[in-house]
Order: sequence, then C-alpha cells, then structure tokens
Amino acid sequence: EVQLVESGGGLVQTGGSLRLSCAASGFTFSSYAMTWVRQAPGKGLEWVSAISGSGGSTFYADSVKGRFTISRDNSKNTLYLQMNSLRAEDTAVYYCAKDLGQYYYDSSGYYHYWGQGTLVTVSS
Amino acid sequence: DIQMTQSPSSLSASVGDRVTITCRASQSISSYLNWYQQKPGKAPKLLIYAASSLQSGVPSRFSGSGSGTDFTLTISSLQPEDFATFYCQQSYSAPRTFGQGTKVEIK
Repeated sequence: EVQLVESGGGLVQTGGSLRLSCAASGFTFSSYAMTWVRQAPGKGLEWVSAISGSGGSTFYADSVKGRFTISRDNSKNTLYLQMNSLRAEDTAVYYCAKDLGQYYYDSSGYYHYWGQGTLVTVSS
Repeated sequence: DIQMTQSPSSLSASVGDRVTITCRASQSISSYLNWYQQKPGKAPKLLIYAASSLQSGVPSRFSGSGSGTDFTLTISSLQPEDFATFYCQQSYSAPRTFGQGTKVEIK
C-alpha cells in the first residue's frame, strides 16, 4: 500500500526557515517524480515544486523560486522541501504527491497518491 | 504558465441533480486534463485523468469530456457524498496548474 506521510510543519516567524519531509512507502520511490502542492486556509490548490525520480531535475513555481529547495534522498525514501525567507503568504497546508512516472514534465502524469498534509504557519 | 479557469466558482444542487462543471485552459492542452475532488480537511482525490478516463474505484456517475481548451466534469446524479470542492489541473506542461475550484453545496 502506498503511503506518504508529511512532517515538519509548524509556526515560524516571517523571514524564518523550515524543512518539510515526506516519508514514502509501498512503492519504488526512486522510480517516481514527486511534487509539493500547497493550500492556503480557505483557498485553492497551488502547485509548488516537483522533482524527478533521480533527483536530477527540479521545477519551482514563480512564487517560491529562489526561496524554496526541493530535494530527495532515495536511500531513505524521503522527499524534502527546504523553505527559506518565509512570508505570511506561504501559510498553508503542504501536501506531497506521487507522480505517475519518473518525470514531472510527463504530460500524461497525474497525482493518484497524496499525503495527509502538514500545516505551515508564518507569522510575525 | 498555463492558466486554468473553472466555472462556476460555486453551485447549489440537490441530491439526484445532474451537475456540470467547466474548466478552460489559457492555451491548448490537448487532453492533458485531470479532475480532483476534495472534502474539508482531506487531501484531494483523483477522479478523472486524461480528460475522460475514470480513475479506478470512482463511481461511474462521474464523467469527463473535452479537449484543446474546454473541458467538462459531469456528475450524472448527485449523491450526498459528492458535496465537495472540485479542481481541474492541466498536466500539459510544468507547472501543472490547478483551476481555482468549484464548491458544490447542498441546496
């Protein structure tokens, strides 16, 4: 059974940093691209960042580019999101999601498996 | 980035009603369009992929259609468990942008 479990969320001050983790199980982690999607309170879904199965290719939404870094440790079956220079507008539930295949830019991809989400609150 | 626009943003319907939600892309995305359902406090759930393919385990009352820039999600007979927010998402190119969501409420 595929499982994705996020952790690392919490309350952080404006300008601070936080690292989210997503522990994966039930599939060959290195064979699948992974994505972070966030949802601000009462708002819609926002695609944040993605990484290929090997970790060699990454992509970021403009809203987080230069501040967030996605990475993965395939030996630990874990996905990460390092978030720096946090702003109030980064407050959201952050979900990790498993892609259909190896590459996040594969047009046929979709997100069948999602974690339960972890809440990040940025406050002054 | 490709912009996805859903309409309506919300709707009220009764059990048994036929419900249609539309999604428009800012450029052609062929059939690379997915639909998700989200209930409060829960992660999104995949309903439809590639515009019209029903995800395994999803009731057949859900269907999707369209190609190019215009897409539709239809619920043929709304059930109590269907009251939720629905999102379209394009997978044609990164970033895989979502529509703003359509909230389906009980009339």
